[in-house]
Amino acid sequence: GDSVTQMEGPVTLSEEAFLTINCTYTATGYPSLFWYVQYPGEGLQLLLKATKADDKGSNKGFEATYRKETTSFHLEKGSVQVSDSAVYFCALAAGGYNKLIFGAGTRLAVHP
Amino acid sequence: GAVVSQHPSWVICKSGTSVKIECRSLDFQATTMFWYRQFPKQSLMLMATSNEGSKATYEQGVEKDKFLINHASLTLSTLTVTSAHPEDSSFYICSAIPRGGRTDTQYFGPGTRLTVL
Repeated sequence: GDSVTQMEGPVTLSEEAFLTINCTYTATGYPSLFWYVQYPGEGLQLLLKATKADDKGSNKGFEATYRKETTSFHLEKGSVQVSDSAVYFCALAAGGYNKLIFGAGTRLAVHP
Repeated sequence: GAVVSQHPSWVICKSGTSVKIECRSLDFQATTMFWYRQFPKQSLMLMATSNEGSKATYEQGVEKDKFLINHASLTLSTLTVTSAHPEDSSFYICSAIPRGGRTDTQYFGPGTRLTVL
């Protein structure tokens, strides 16, 4: 079945460091791909998405490119801030776009 | 932005009792709501999809008699864990799609942590 695998955390970085969180997927057909973020005490929020191969989703300095050849959707940010500390979830929607399949989540901690 | 609330945020109960968790869309009408379960360090697992006014659709392996879902109105869905046991302890998260929205427009609640003693 469809699945999402993302790197285990926690990821600990200093402020202004470069961030990469790896995400790969397995799916039949052509899924849409998402990154969600969960700040402490809050619900998941959509961070960015891409709906077809080679699309790049971006938001708040974060980027991810839909790579069909490597079935990947890695999240990157050039310079992280303390306020980026959160749990990040990679997800896909397939099979008629009616439900999301999530990765395990990666906790990011950014220190001043 | 759209807000989804859950109540309670945490609950502790004795084995054999039933627990009800509420999910409310505060500023929009939700024709579809989802219930997820999350184990520590694991992904969110979809339990069921509920549509207002109809029976919930449960994912494979989820006991519908154990996890009762009622989507009574366009702003409220409830999950009742019946005869709870320690293995039901988990983090339960709901989400809601506004009328006319798609999967990627679903808004998530902050979650409810259930501990069964």
